Amino acid sequence: DAMVIQNPRYQVTQFGKPVTLSCSQTLNHNVMYWYQQKSSQAPKLLFHYYDKDFNNEADTPDNFQSRRPNTSFCFLDIRSPGLGDAAMYLCATSGSVTTNEKLFFGSGTQLSVL
Amino acid sequence: GQSLEQPSEVTAVEGAIVQINCTYQTSGFYGLSWYQQHDGGAPTFLSYNALDGLEETGRFSSFLSRSDSYGYLLLQELQMKDSASYFCARDGTGGFKTIFGAGTRLFVKA
Repeated sequence: DAMVIQNPRYQVTQFGKPVTLSCSQTLNHNVMYWYQQKSSQAPKLLFHYYDKDFNNEADTPDNFQSRRPNTSFCFLDIRSPGLGDAAMYLCATSGSVTTNEKLFFGSGTQLSVL
Repeated sequence: GQSLEQPSEVTAVEGAIVQINCTYQTSGFYGLSWYQQHDGGAPTFLSYNALDGLEETGRFSSFLSRSDSYGYLLLQELQMKDSASYFCARDGTGGFKTIFGAGTRLFVKA
């Protein structure tokens, strides 16, 4: 089945140690997103790609970077994770041409920072 | 602004009907979406309204009134498995992005 796949499901890293989270999609969607979600809070958009065009949210810390080498893959790099970066990281895609009526989410990566 | 407001918690009994309201700021608004998220899971899409009126999908319906900047999600014949968080969401300006409300935690009691 076409889907959005995130690996790993759980990731543990050490304070200050770079970590990369992965996302792949078989939907051939133009738009890919990274959201951060902390417990009992709304998903917070970090950035998104429309094809190769990168769009960073104004309040996304510089510590967070992203790469999209091709349509199918997108990566979230956290250069120096702090304790406050522990969260669920959700990748999503959208195939809409004009509006965002439907996002398809991966199952998320739960990041712990020790 | 582009924010959304929804109640933080709603409790209802199995078999009942519950309505979760959402108000939004109108700047750059195209349509209103609803997502369901169970604990530890990812959000899953429920519905989208771009036009005024009611959209029905099985036990779930969603309504939008653009003139009132208001929408709601209606859940009928509640089941225990409907216990989850429900997020309303909208388009954001400046590109393809979706902004989520803070979520409504629904507790369904036997």
